[in-house]
Amino acid sequence: GQQVMQIPQYQHVQEGEDFTTYCNSSTTLSNIQWYKQRPGGHPVFLIQLVKSGEVKKQKRLTFQFGEAKKNSSLHITATQTTDVGTYFCAVSRGDYKLSFGAGTTVTVRA
Amino acid sequence: DAGVIQSPRHEVTEMGQEVTLRCKPISGHNSLFWYRQTMMRGLELLIYFNNNVPIDDSGMPEDRFSAKMPNASFSTLKIQPSEPRDSAVYFCASSRTSGRKGTDTQYFGPGTRLTVL
Repeated sequence: GQQVMQIPQYQHVQEGEDFTTYCNSSTTLSNIQWYKQRPGGHPVFLIQLVKSGEVKKQKRLTFQFGEAKKNSSLHITATQTTDVGTYFCAVSRGDYKLSFGAGTTVTVRA
Repeated sequence: DAGVIQSPRHEVTEMGQEVTLRCKPISGHNSLFWYRQTMMRGLELLIYFNNNVPIDDSGMPEDRFSAKMPNASFSTLKIQPSEPRDSAVYFCASSRTSGRKGTDTQYFGPGTRLTVL
């Protein structure tokens, strides 16, 4: 089963606005990965966070790993229609497998 | 690089029929994963191969499901007999194991959308 909880499940955003989606775990994580799946597409790797408190940016996307390594967030600024899709966090179960969260599905109002 | 290749992209079959899904991982990758995605259950790992050997098949729903990886460039997922509840999108993903567990990026194929009537 899934080890992480993602909130919110759905995010409806006005184009140009910012939003944040969260990934929470009850246990300490060794690392966390984020993937994006466009409608009708397949998951595509975005980024990996490993260090406590780590912050990484990709253009308008900012990823953060919590100090306790139990949660992570993805913040998108100035949302565009190209941001539509489902964003998944994925965590390792101590081996080479990943356990994916349920995802946050983002829709954008133009 | 062509990426992970899956076939067929769409499959419609009748209950009771055998279904075979195919996957060609990225060349040089030594880990292969089969996932199933549904609205109700999300993205579920079915089975994981490393160096062509099945390492963990605990996610395989039942005996109707079987997977093989006869060589480093080919894997199949078979459902026999198929049932309507097997309808889902099946993804194959591959990665190059770095030796540091949980840090490998997985590259997904386009998926096979299976409909069992």
